[in-house]
Amino acid sequence: GAGVSQTPSNKVTEKGKYVELRCDPISGHTALYWYRQSLGQGPEFLIYFQGTGAADDSGLPNDRFFAVRPEGSVSTLKIQRTERGDSAVYLCASSPSPTAGELFFGEGSRLTVL
Amino acid sequence: AQTVTQSQPEMSVQEAETVTLSCTYDTSESDYYLFWYKQPPSRQMILVIRQEAYKQQNATENRFSVNFQKAAKSFSLKISDSQLGDAAMYFCAYRARGTSGSRLTFGEGTQLTVNP
Repeated sequence: GAGVSQTPSNKVTEKGKYVELRCDPISGHTALYWYRQSLGQGPEFLIYFQGTGAADDSGLPNDRFFAVRPEGSVSTLKIQRTERGDSAVYLCASSPSPTAGELFFGEGSRLTVL
Repeated sequence: AQTVTQSQPEMSVQEAETVTLSCTYDTSESDYYLFWYKQPPSRQMILVIRQEAYKQQNATENRFSVNFQKAAKSFSLKISDSQLGDAAMYFCAYRARGTSGSRLTFGEGTQLTVNP
């Protein structure tokens, strides 16, 4: 596609449920990033993929959060046993290079945990 | 660790006037990028302008320009002839160059209001 695509746009779930958020990066971009943005704050880094492997997952807050990118393109962020504090906008970004230039962002997935 | 600080949570400007948004950062790297991103209510981060640290000349993109002071670690954004469509949250961001997989580090953002 022309840009980074994220689905769903909005997700409402109950505390304790499992959630998956999907990101389809710009074609040919090898680097893929997940960020979390709480209301009124700047995005915070979660995880970075180069190809299929998670090259840096130091931003994942705990072991309830996990992400995969099995074929080096689409990525899925998985959240187990959701908590109300997980409510945020989850942004995905891709880049043609892991070492230079800007990141291109999707419109994000807004997660609300009731 | 790199940090980015935006000290103005909110700014306002009259349509057609000029406004400057401030940003400071801290890093031990010598080669890096600095960016200003705009985030409207649609949530998508849109790149406004970028500056490469090794370039002394300040970047300019139409009505948007930066004042990059490397020694002071300052990177302000000037918006000239402000338009209603400029209203958004603006984020300053830093990225180390040449470090594999280097992430963007964002400031807290400045909410810009443009008054007609």
